[in-house]
Amino acid sequence: NAGVTQTPKFQVLKTGQSMTLQCAQDMNHEYMSWYRQDPGMGLRLIHYSVGAGITDQGEVPNGYNVSRSTTEDFPLRLLSAAPSQTSVYFCASGTSGRYEQYFGPGTRLTVT
Amino acid sequence: KNEVEQSPQNLTAQEGEFITINCSYSVGISALHWLQQHPGGGIVSLFMLSSGKKKHGRLIATINIQEKHSSLHITASHPRDSAVYICAVRDRGSTLGRLYFGRGTQLTVWP
Repeated sequence: NAGVTQTPKFQVLKTGQSMTLQCAQDMNHEYMSWYRQDPGMGLRLIHYSVGAGITDQGEVPNGYNVSRSTTEDFPLRLLSAAPSQTSVYFCASGTSGRYEQYFGPGTRLTVT
Repeated sequence: KNEVEQSPQNLTAQEGEFITINCSYSVGISALHWLQQHPGGGIVSLFMLSSGKKKHGRLIATINIQEKHSSLHITASHPRDSAVYICAVRDRGSTLGRLYFGRGTQLTVWP
């Protein structure tokens, strides 16, 4: 099993550009989520999904879109990048019955 | 307001020392997680517990539900233990038990 994979590892965007951060898992987990990690702050939930076709907002959803067309994939779209979105982004997955979450390796995004 | 508070923020120790990291939380929880994040960023789960105590090698995690407090202990610390340790709690009251994260404790162990 590859676990949770994220691409790209690093990305630099200019203000106003759009892009998609990819996340995939091969553990057949229903639950997937996106977090951002900023210096001096805990991980914060952006969006999450409890299964294909079902998504919901987390704590800091503004400026981000998600969709879940398959169990395996949960892409995060930045519609119009802003410097405030400079952060490290983590995708995680888990099963609804168990509480454990598995994290991807992260994507470091810089918006200039 | 942060639902999860960790202390200390930074911790420096000499190899072999006994380490304690504390976590206090304010919400009703269904589970508490201790996570480890190494330089380079990857996050791995160390423990998930809802009561009592768990041990894995030199790591011990305890939780007191009544006092809303958990501790992570490292016995005979080693430089490879240097990492950020993150406490996260699963909110019992939210859909699917949303996770709230502490800000992390940066541990540095010197040889």
